[in-house]
Amino acid sequence: GAVVSQHPSRVICKSGTSVKIECRSLDFQATTMFWYRQFPKKSLMLMATSNEGSKATYEQGVEKDKFLINHASLTLSTLTVTSAHPEDSSFYICSISEGQVGEKLFFGSGTQLSVL
Amino acid sequence: AQTVTQSQPEMSVQEAETVTLSCTYDTSESNYYLFWYKQPPSRQMILVIRQEAYKQQNATENRFSVNFQKAAKSFSLKISDSQLGDTAMYFCAFDSGGSNYKLTFGKGTLLTVNP
Repeated sequence: GAVVSQHPSRVICKSGTSVKIECRSLDFQATTMFWYRQFPKKSLMLMATSNEGSKATYEQGVEKDKFLINHASLTLSTLTVTSAHPEDSSFYICSISEGQVGEKLFFGSGTQLSVL
Repeated sequence: AQTVTQSQPEMSVQEAETVTLSCTYDTSESNYYLFWYKQPPSRQMILVIRQEAYKQQNATENRFSVNFQKAAKSFSLKISDSQLGDTAMYFCAFDSGGSNYKLTFGKGTLLTVNP
């Protein structure tokens, strides 16, 4: 199965700054990647679907100008949290689909973002 | 829209015993896919087991098996011979089988295996 590398695993930043999180598919060309957000002891909430070479599709309630997604290549998608606020502190996880209907997703190891 | 409900926020089991985690879902689809994912303290999401709705036979993976009741829209996970390493959050997830490959997750059940 596909191997997904997510970086950084943990980041601390000051309010007002921007943070970029990278998600790489190491052995598979992923046309579709997903970004999830997870609050402590809560479920995964899908934020957006990242499509290579086109604009991301955001879920209802997710601010696209705040959470910028770039899927410029088949192996890399980035999530940039712009003008971060303490309420943006969360665990962010990316995943990829190998493109087969009904097959499992492959997940990155996640990024814990803490905004001071 | 599909919904996935896990009614047990937390459960505990003694090592070597058997435990069953519940999951129900709501959908109007006839063909779909169901998953159980495990998230240990490392927070890495790991697939435990997968079920295709058009298959009547319950999926099994070593100590993990499911009881899939399509008419009741129920998809429970049974863990036999529980091990300390099974301690984790368990998420039930639904895939409608559409081309968007999106998963809908339940809220999770925190399982603790006690020595």
